[in-house]
Amino acid sequence: ILNVEQSPQSLHVQEGDSTNFTCSFPSSNFYALHWYRWETAKSPEALFVMTLNGDEKKKGRISATLNTKEGYSYLYIKGSQPEDSATYLCASFKAAGNKLTFGGGTRVLVKP
Amino acid sequence: EAGVTQFPSHSVIEKGQTVTLRCDPISGHDNLYWYRRVMGKEIKFLLHFVKESKQDESGMPNNRFLAERTGGTYSTLKVQPAELEDSGVYFCASTRSQGANTGELFFGEGSRLTVL
Repeated sequence: ILNVEQSPQSLHVQEGDSTNFTCSFPSSNFYALHWYRWETAKSPEALFVMTLNGDEKKKGRISATLNTKEGYSYLYIKGSQPEDSATYLCASFKAAGNKLTFGGGTRVLVKP
Repeated sequence: EAGVTQFPSHSVIEKGQTVTLRCDPISGHDNLYWYRRVMGKEIKFLLHFVKESKQDESGMPNNRFLAERTGGTYSTLKVQPAELEDSGVYFCASTRSQGANTGELFFGEGSRLTVL
């Protein structure tokens, strides 16, 4: 994989249900993987910065895992709430270079 | 502590006009980034400042775009003359650490540019 790709592009979730989505990134020269939560007209806010293969991080009902060897990360939302509605962005950082490369985002809409 | 602030929040201009976007990073953050999101596409890197120096400007689309960071504090991004394809949301982000490899980026709310 050459670019950072996220799937699905969008998903609708019923309130209370759990969901997850994927970020795929180039595994060569990998250094770090970032997840951001972005609500329209607001600032993207960092959820996680992950560097180690097999790492798992958690913030409230949101968690993420990282597989650097195969180049993917999953973001999980447990018991989705309407306030979880947002676009979730992942971005990878390579060892050579000093910039994040973003995926297209997964837009999550939680329906009451 | 104040966050990253961007001005204006929204600018509507006609093709051929000039627009200057401003970003005030978090105080003490040496690293400042500009990104752009064109409608329906991913957020793309434009350039990176370390203090007042341009570290990487490989993402700047063409010479109609000029970025400066006076004295290593705030930064401006000027588009002159603006074209229709320049429409999008321009994000500024800053971080204290040496690049995004060790710490999160702090983003502003973005400046939405509409070129008619």
